[in-house]
Amino acid sequence: GIQVEQSPPDLILQEGANSTLRCNFSDSVNNLQWFHQNPWGQLINLFYIPSGTKQNGRLSATTVATERYSLLYISSSQTTDSGVYFCAVNTGTASKLTFGTGTRLQVTL
Amino acid sequence: DTGVSQDPRHKITKRGQNVTFRCDPISEHNRLYWYRQTLGQGPEFLTYFQNEAQLEKSRLLSDRFSAERPKGSFSTLEIQRTEQGDSAMYLCASSLPGKPAGYTFGSGTRLTVV
Repeated sequence: GIQVEQSPPDLILQEGANSTLRCNFSDSVNNLQWFHQNPWGQLINLFYIPSGTKQNGRLSATTVATERYSLLYISSSQTTDSGVYFCAVNTGTASKLTFGTGTRLQVTL
Repeated sequence: DTGVSQDPRHKITKRGQNVTFRCDPISEHNRLYWYRQTLGQGPEFLTYFQNEAQLEKSRLLSDRFSAERPKGSFSTLEIQRTEQGDSAMYLCASSLPGKPAGYTFGSGTRLTVV
């Protein structure tokens, strides 16, 4: 099956700093999504981005499908950004997702 | 709509007991998914339904696991003869076909087998 790797595995930032999270995948995908799992375990859908660039407030994402990677940018980080960020891909006709290994982000004051 | 609801939020059970979890998807979503997440890992796909039909099951779903969605609305996931290795967060999600941007997860049921 498809392999989805994320880097870095852990990241500690001071509030206000910017960061880039990376997701590499081993095969062509139909769909790529970024999720944020907050400290209470809730998975929040951030972006649906099989290709191109999208922005939502302080967050933006870019997927280069031909090179099999996606990037999530977080600008002016806040403590509420803490948690685990997952990318997830879908390769078939169904919508089941294969999740990456995750990046654990901690934003400190 | 209040999103995807899961019940209970937490379940502690003794090894060998049966447990059942419930998921209520977003009402207009006809696809419903179950995932399992163990500590420090990403969610892993277990099974999914389109309406009442169970269309795919992962090899992770052993014969002790069964999922149903009898009327195409809520779904239940039952684990029989629980084992300590079943301890995990069980997540439910729903979506509409052709609208993956609307993939929405519930808050999960955390199962602890003692």
